[in-house]
Amino acid sequence: GESVGLHLPTLSVQEGDNSIINCAYSNSASDYFIWYKQESGKGPQFIIDIRSNMDKRQGQRVTVLLNKTVKHLSLQIAATQPGDSAVYFCAENKYSGNTPLVFGKGTRLSVIA
Amino acid sequence: EAGVAQSPRYKIIEKRQSVAFWCNPISGHATLYWYQQILGQGPKLLIQFQNNGVVDDSQLPKDRFSAERLKGVDSTLKIQPAKLEDSAVYLCASSLDRGSGPIYEQYFGPGTRLTVT
Repeated sequence: GESVGLHLPTLSVQEGDNSIINCAYSNSASDYFIWYKQESGKGPQFIIDIRSNMDKRQGQRVTVLLNKTVKHLSLQIAATQPGDSAVYFCAENKYSGNTPLVFGKGTRLSVIA
Repeated sequence: EAGVAQSPRYKIIEKRQSVAFWCNPISGHATLYWYQQILGQGPKLLIQFQNNGVVDDSQLPKDRFSAERLKGVDSTLKIQPAKLEDSAVYLCASSLDRGSGPIYEQYFGPGTRLTVT
């Protein structure tokens, strides 16, 4: 079946640098995308979402970019901090209806102090 | 506001034994989800409840897994008998009543880490 995937399983960045985490999705019917952060021993935590009628959405220190042409999603974290160290998942869904969230495998972000 | 509560946090059992997990969602959240997260992978939905009714259980291995939400609040997930491949973190999440309308944010509990030996 179709599923959300990720290009890189691990990413190491220097504290203060910007981080970019990528995600490829294959279900062209998905119109809603979410980034989650999961710290060790905790459940996933919502970071930011974007609907398919948008290309970019900004939050506090985070930006999500959506390229529907190539079915690509990215999460940019500005001025990465040690507290950003975690596994990041993208997930896709339909905004309306009752289809389940489909998660990718995750990227582990390690911040080097 | 209190988050999603789960217990136990850790469980170790031998294969062929049974185990049960408990979840208490955020107050007022009509929709409850159980996910299985195998090490190194993203969560996979097992079952979704709306109040006390099942909305989606298409990925629940029904020969060994069962779940209930009798009063539309707390929920239990049971595995009987367990297999080695059931070793995973079992996450519970809740959200406002989704129905067929727009998706609402899912709030996840800390999960129960199950090890089957």
